[in-house]
Amino acid sequence: QITLKESGPALVKPTQTLTLTCSFSGFSLNTSGVGVAWIRQPPGKALEWLTLIYWDEDKRYSPSLKSRLTITKDTSKNQVVLTMTNMDPVDTATYYCARRRTTSGRWAFDIWGQGTMVTVSS
Amino acid sequence: DIQMTQSPSSLSASVGDRVTITCRASQSISDYLDWYQQKPGKAPKLLIYAASSLQSGVPSRFSGSGSGTDFTLTISSLQPEDFATYYCQHNYNTPWTFGQGTKVEIK
Repeated sequence: QITLKESGPALVKPTQTLTLTCSFSGFSLNTSGVGVAWIRQPPGKALEWLTLIYWDEDKRYSPSLKSRLTITKDTSKNQVVLTMTNMDPVDTATYYCARRRTTSGRWAFDIWGQGTMVTVSS
Repeated sequence: DIQMTQSPSSLSASVGDRVTITCRASQSISDYLDWYQQKPGKAPKLLIYAASSLQSGVPSRFSGSGSGTDFTLTISSLQPEDFATYYCQHNYNTPWTFGQGTKVEIK
């Protein structure tokens, strides 16, 4: 069974740095054709892709947030870590991690974590 | 960035109805288009990838079509468990972007 689970603080203050961890099981980030992404969703709003790391350490970032984001992986622990600096109330959202995998040569976010709600407030 | 626009934003339908949701890309994306279903308080679930390929385990009443800029998600016979919000998302290039969502409500 493939699962992903996000963990981290529920509340951060403005200007602080957010660190979220995605712990996964049932697959390996050493396997070709696999990546883990972070996607967020403000309350009542649409989904927004943030960043992704592939099995080969290739990383992709949303241009609008690139200066604030860092994604890393620890293959031995089956974890992916997201760091977002200079948090603002507009960053209040549910943050999801999701596996990105290729099926028949096409990529998709096929398995998602349950999400973790992060509120930015003083 | 490629903008994804869904229509309608919401719709009301009855069990057994045929439902169609449209997604339009701001430029041609070939068939690099996925559809997700999201229920309240839950994570999105992949339904359709590559515009028309049904994800494993997804009921066959869901289907997708289209290429270029115009895509559709069809539910052939709406079931009680299908009341949810549906999102399209392109995979053409980064940043991967989502539509604003279509909420399917009970009539």
